[in-house]
Parts: sequence; C-alpha cells; structure tokens
Amino acid sequence: QKEVEQDPGPLSVPEGAIVSLNCTYSNSAFQYFMWYRQYSRKGPELLMYTYSSGNKEDGRFTAQVDKSSKYISLFIRDSQPSDSATYLCATGPNYGQNFVFGPGTRLSVLP
Amino acid sequence: GAVVSQHPSRVICKSGTSVKIECRSLDFQATTMFWYRQFPKQSLMLMATSNEGSKATYEQGVEKDKFLINHASLTLSTLTVTSAHPEDSSFYICSAVQGADGYTFGSGTRLTVV
Repeated sequence: QKEVEQDPGPLSVPEGAIVSLNCTYSNSAFQYFMWYRQYSRKGPELLMYTYSSGNKEDGRFTAQVDKSSKYISLFIRDSQPSDSATYLCATGPNYGQNFVFGPGTRLSVLP
Repeated sequence: GAVVSQHPSRVICKSGTSVKIECRSLDFQATTMFWYRQFPKQSLMLMATSNEGSKATYEQGVEKDKFLINHASLTLSTLTVTSAHPEDSSFYICSAVQGADGYTFGSGTRLTVV
C-alpha cells in the first residue's frame, strides 16, 4: 500500500463550482497535513497546513483532516480558472523530517 | 514569507557533462534541505536529504556518486548531476524545512540532456 494515495484526475469543473480534492494515507502516526498547488513548470507552493484532525479555512479554501479514517480533503469554493493547477497533498513526518507526497490531482476550471 | 531561490530555472546540457543546481534560502537559515525529482504527471520523489555540514542522506536507488549534494552553509545547498545522460532529464526541485510548517519549495530546474 502506498503511503499516500490521491486520484490523479484530471478533474474538470465549470467556473464557480465547489471542488473537492481528497487523499488517503496509511501511517496513523502522521501528524502534519499539507496541500500544495503546482502550476505547470513551476515548483509547488504551500496552500494550507494543518496539524492533527480538524478543519482549517483560508478564503475560498478549506482543508479537512479525519485521522480516524486517514482521509485528507481540500475544498475550493467558487472555483476560478486561475485555480487550474495540480494539487498535491502531503503528510508526515515519517523519518527525519521527511514528508510524503501524493501524486497530485490535475484540476481544470473552465470559464 | 520564506523564500527559496533555485537556479537555474532551465538548463540544457550535452550528454556526459555535469550540471550544478543551486538552492538558496533567502531569509531564513535551513539546516535541512531536500532535493526532489519530478517526472511529467508524476509526484515529487525524494532523492536526498541535505544537512548543513554533513553528508547528504540518499534515498534507496539514488546514486550518490551521480547526484552530488553539498550543503556548505545554512543558506545554500547544491545538487550536481555528474556525467548527465538523457534519462536524467527531469524537473528537479529543492525545498527547505521551516520547523513544523512544512516546506518552502524552490521554483524548480528543468534539466534537458541532449
């Protein structure tokens, strides 16, 4: 079983839609959960970061962590074409300070 | 926020030559930096962990003699791809740890070996 699993998509939605992106992870010891956004040919940038279970909201973005089911979610409200990117979930640390990434979900928001 | 600068952003080199990629933390000290490789439509794959003042720790399957890492200061880590071959063509990304807040990534280097 992979440490982090994520549907690679691609996922296409119309502008204004609510987007739900999800990951599952296998190691119950993981405490930190992050979502990164990566535009084509660019490095990932941190969107949201949460510690342990619960929700975190930042503008149109909401991150949810359910440690009991090892499930991570990112919701994007009122999606915009500029949200079109690949979204990577990450969690950890496992050893040292290493975090594990999902393969990313490609999102296209159509105008 | 914290910034990690990676240079060059794009490089094309001939097969057999070496290429050096720099990763700098601009406004914070990074005792630990990570080097990743990303193939098209695939996730980041950790290559090695770079620790300031000590030898890098390489992931299984990564040739340490081919991918030389030097973390000589608290703000600079370098990755040198030695004797590059076309199969080394990839997107290389560095990141620096900011405590428990996760990573700050560089913008990446696209290496093309011809």
